[in-house]
Amino acid sequence: QVQLQESGPGLVKPSQTLSLTCTVSGDSISSGDYYWSWIRQHPGKGLEWIGYIYYSGSAYYNPSLKSRVTISVDTSKNQFSLKLSSVTAADTAVYFCARDVGSSSGRFDHWGQGTQVTVSS
Amino acid sequence: QSALTQPASVSGSPGQSITISCTGSNSDVGSYNLVSWYQQHPGKAPKLLIYEASKRPSGLSNRFSGSKSGNTASLTISGLQAEDEADYYCCSYAGSTTFVIFGGGTKLTVL
Repeated sequence: QVQLQESGPGLVKPSQTLSLTCTVSGDSISSGDYYWSWIRQHPGKGLEWIGYIYYSGSAYYNPSLKSRVTISVDTSKNQFSLKLSSVTAADTAVYFCARDVGSSSGRFDHWGQGTQVTVSS
Repeated sequence: QSALTQPASVSGSPGQSITISCTGSNSDVGSYNLVSWYQQHPGKAPKLLIYEASKRPSGLSNRFSGSKSGNTASLTISGLQAEDEADYYCCSYAGSTTFVIFGGGTKLTVL
């Protein structure tokens, strides 16, 4: 049974860097079968794709966030991580990690439960 | 690139059918058969309903179906049930620059 679990601080100060990790169980990131994504949802709003990464470390980002986002992978821990720099209140959202089984096409078949991140001083 | 366009809300009575549209452009929905649909209940993670415009994941009820014509994809839910009340999102591959784009979401109310 594939499970994804987000972890990281729930509160980040403005201008700092948001850091989250997604731990995968029931599947191996290093199998190379899928892409691994971060998606966020602003309060009461829709979904926004942030980016995804392949086991090799190749990462692809939403153009609107690209200058501030880094997604990395640690295959030894079966984890992938998100870093979002220079955060503002507009980055307050629920952050989800998800598995893309459609060869990076947006077919997300397994999701984490989501983690709330609030940007506030 | 802007989000895909969905109606903000739709409603239907139990047993009825409803259709949710998702309009994109020649850069996304119109160029790729890579549209997926998600159902999200409050406080929960989204759930995959449809992929590649019209395919259902194994085990999913056949009350959910998808189609695509030109720049518009559609999700149809037949035999509405109370538990179908949720938010629904479309998603499309949008090429090697934008990659993935979501719709703004549609709230389904079962009357």
